[in-house]
Amino acid sequence: GQNIDQPTEMTATEGAIVQINCTYQTSGFNGLFWYQQHAGEAPTFLSYNVLDGLEEKGRFSSFLSRSKGYSYLLLKELQMKDSASYLCAVLDSNYQLIWGAGTKLIIKP
Amino acid sequence: GAVVSQHPSWVICKSGTSVKIECRSLDFQATTMFWYRQFPKQSLMLMATSNEGSKATYEQGVEKDKFLINHASLTLSTLTVTSAHPEDSSFYICSARGGTSGGEHTGELFFGEGSRLTVL
Repeated sequence: GQNIDQPTEMTATEGAIVQINCTYQTSGFNGLFWYQQHAGEAPTFLSYNVLDGLEEKGRFSSFLSRSKGYSYLLLKELQMKDSASYLCAVLDSNYQLIWGAGTKLIIKP
Repeated sequence: GAVVSQHPSWVICKSGTSVKIECRSLDFQATTMFWYRQFPKQSLMLMATSNEGSKATYEQGVEKDKFLINHASLTLSTLTVTSAHPEDSSFYICSARGGTSGGEHTGELFFGEGSRLTVL
């Protein structure tokens, strides 16, 4: 079966760094997405990785290792507004998105 | 950047009535649109994949006669919840896949704002 695993909840301090991990087992692979979702809102696109390595976008970075079926989202200089759920999703061989359950990130002052 | 507009944002209806939700890609052509729903504290669940000019492909467990999807043009897809019941109350989100505009958004999905449906 297809499976995406990510921690249910994480807590971090404002100004710190946090890494959210995602492991996957899917039928084929056409890329991995990270989305941010605030309660009651639609997800917002953060990153797309299809090749191994680190992609940096400002305070957010995403890493992919296809051989390990592993990705992480790195958030630096955390701000209170970063409190949200972070969803990992993989595009499988049929271009269907397989979603993780999301990681709820709680930022404390 | 690309924008996907979804309307209405909020809708409340009586049980037994039908509700239509529109999803428009505003500045790009979307040959494929996806419809998701999200129940509280759960991840997004793909309901169906809509390809322009053809019948939608529904995921297992999704009733195609209840959730009618029409994708008549490259910029518009609609989801109609027919004979809605309280258990259909959910957050419905559409997304559109770019990729026909020179490859800039290849593989990237753009999401609508979502529609919160409450069936009384």
